[in-house]
Amino acid sequence: QSALTQPASVSGSPGQSVTISCTGTSSDVGIFNLVSWYRLHPGKAPQLLIYEVTKRPSGVSDRFSGSRSGNTASLTISGLQPEDEADFYCCSYATSGPSLYLFGTGTKVTVL
Amino acid sequence: QVTLQESGPALVKPSQTLTLTCSFSGFSLSDSGMRLSWIRQPPGKALEWLARIDWDGTEFYHTSLKKRLSIFKDTSKSQVVLTVTDVGPADAGTYYCARLPVDEDGFDFWGRGTLVTVSS
Repeated sequence: QSALTQPASVSGSPGQSVTISCTGTSSDVGIFNLVSWYRLHPGKAPQLLIYEVTKRPSGVSDRFSGSRSGNTASLTISGLQPEDEADFYCCSYATSGPSLYLFGTGTKVTVL
Repeated sequence: QVTLQESGPALVKPSQTLTLTCSFSGFSLSDSGMRLSWIRQPPGKALEWLARIDWDGTEFYHTSLKKRLSIFKDTSKSQVVLTVTDVGPADAGTYYCARLPVDEDGFDFWGRGTLVTVSS
């Protein structure tokens, strides 16, 4: 497993909700409660949105929520806002393969 | 206030050694449970985890790159250095350092990254 699988792109209108999936295996996403999500804007420091599958750091909007079912984790963005137009990545701790942490393939969120 | 900032050469020649420095403030890497990683993003590609160093000096590396990577912490200077030997075109990209506390297990603070180009 070299990377977790995410959809290349998702889009939604302001105020709508979108969900980004992150599919791994039973050696990473499915077994550890160590899935996190990040938002990347060009030229800015990446931002942690969710850690340990469902937890939100202080200061992060409650519009962001995380969940997991089996080997697939998900990030839901509620009440889509213009500043949510960015690249989003999931990440999981992993015990098999060459990398201790696996990132997802990345999802471009477009606010229509 | 936690801040991290990456620095290093913008351009390196193939086969040279790349040395990157992460200067941080607002926390100490000697505090129990504190960890710091280097992560990179090749142009147009996904993030890739490279290495981690823990408060007790334990080091972890991406297995495929282990022979070429070295991570070192200078606690007195609040810096973590990553070296990449024998660089090639695949090493080009934006390099980030990120904090990873054990009690909130996610990369909670990142630097803005430093862009590295590999070219002769």
